[in-house]
Amino acid sequence: TQLLEQSPQFLSIQEGENLTVYCNSSSVFSSLQWYRQEPGEGPVLLVTVVTGGEVKKLKRLTFQFGDARKDSSLHITAAQPGDTGLYLCAATNNNAGNMLTFGGGTRLMVKP
Amino acid sequence: DAGVIQSPRHEVTEMGQEVTLRCKPISGHDYLFWYRQTMMRGLELLIYFNNNVPIDDSGMPEDRFSAKMPNASFSTLKIQPSEPRDSAVYFCASSSGTGTYEQYFGPGTRLTVT
Repeated sequence: TQLLEQSPQFLSIQEGENLTVYCNSSSVFSSLQWYRQEPGEGPVLLVTVVTGGEVKKLKRLTFQFGDARKDSSLHITAAQPGDTGLYLCAATNNNAGNMLTFGGGTRLMVKP
Repeated sequence: DAGVIQSPRHEVTEMGQEVTLRCKPISGHDYLFWYRQTMMRGLELLIYFNNNVPIDDSGMPEDRFSAKMPNASFSTLKIQPSEPRDSAVYFCASSSGTGTYEQYFGPGTRLTVT
């Protein structure tokens, strides 16, 4: 079983602060995805990273895939209340086909 | 495209009753996944289909759970008989099966078994 561990599990911050969420594993993955889930909705894909060391930016969100493709981070700059939600990382490798392994999630609350 | 459609959005039933959850994947997607989400266990894969054929059902909790995909545009997840511990949010997701395997989720069905 390929376990994805996310940290922290919970994070409560004030609007305007920066934060980083981590996703770690002992396994190597062919790609890694980040999803955000808002209350009452399904997870929505934010980004996919494929190459070791890859960095992708989505407005105030910066995603990085570790050089060894075993870990990833999500950094949010100047967080806003609209960033509140559950952030999930999910990974796949070529042996698992289309199956994704999901992390336990980081529940973020941004207070105005 | 309307995205993945699930029905009902909410279901409240009594223990012992049969529950059927429905899903319509995104048109053209060859893969369909059923997940269950709880606070304690997070998001768990129950079963997935490729071209309407079940590929991996190792996540199905027990024989009370069954899933079918009679055609490319419809799938059901049935629980019979239901138990209080089945209370959770059930998600359906679909994927094109190409590229980097992104999955697109439906809005979920919140099931409460009393």
